[in-house]
Amino acid sequence: DAGVIQSPRHEVTEMGQEVTLRCKPISGHNSLFWYRQTMMRGLELLIYFNNNVPIDDSGMPEDRFSAKMPNASFSTLKIQPSEPRDSAVYFCASNWDLPNTGELFFGEGSRLTVL
Amino acid sequence: QQQVKQSPQSLIVQKGGISIINCAYENTAFDYFPWYQQFPGKGPALLIAIRPDVSEKKEGRFTISFNKSAKQFSLHIMDSQPGDSATYFCAASHTSNDYKLSFGAGTTVTVRA
Repeated sequence: DAGVIQSPRHEVTEMGQEVTLRCKPISGHNSLFWYRQTMMRGLELLIYFNNNVPIDDSGMPEDRFSAKMPNASFSTLKIQPSEPRDSAVYFCASNWDLPNTGELFFGEGSRLTVL
Repeated sequence: QQQVKQSPQSLIVQKGGISIINCAYENTAFDYFPWYQQFPGKGPALLIAIRPDVSEKKEGRFTISFNKSAKQFSLHIMDSQPGDSATYFCAASHTSNDYKLSFGAGTTVTVRA
């Protein structure tokens, strides 16, 4: 079975450019999470969707970040405009809540470098 | 602020030795404590998890010890192997909060052959 699929795997862009990261959760999962991983701050939860609805976006760092989930099989995380401090690995994870075992299934991540 | 504190930041162990990673938490509402394993270039993957109704859980060479009164839990890797070299994250969540995980900072384990 396919796991969580993220694209692109690597993105190098210049400051001020728009960045869009994409995620396809595991089929049948109804919860989706975006995490950011850096050496300094570790794994941080950015936003959490349940049944395509954003439930908690308190981790989104600022208005430059936005996330959408138009349907159960696709989500995007957009950064506009990007800044060098946004350089990180962004992970998407999914699970199902009936029953909720608590296990998150992570994708392989999108490594973003903003020059 | 980090809700789960993890130590050490890194450790080196000889093949066959025991790796021990410790975590502490403050939020007494937490009732689910998983450990995730991450290899370079990959996403974290669930290794083992425990709930506070038990003090220990073992799966193969991996054991979680849980001390509810001290609000601490630890991962022991017995008979460490080079293939165990990875970064390990402890985490915590409470089921009334949709299982949102708070992760520790991570421990990089290197097993020398």
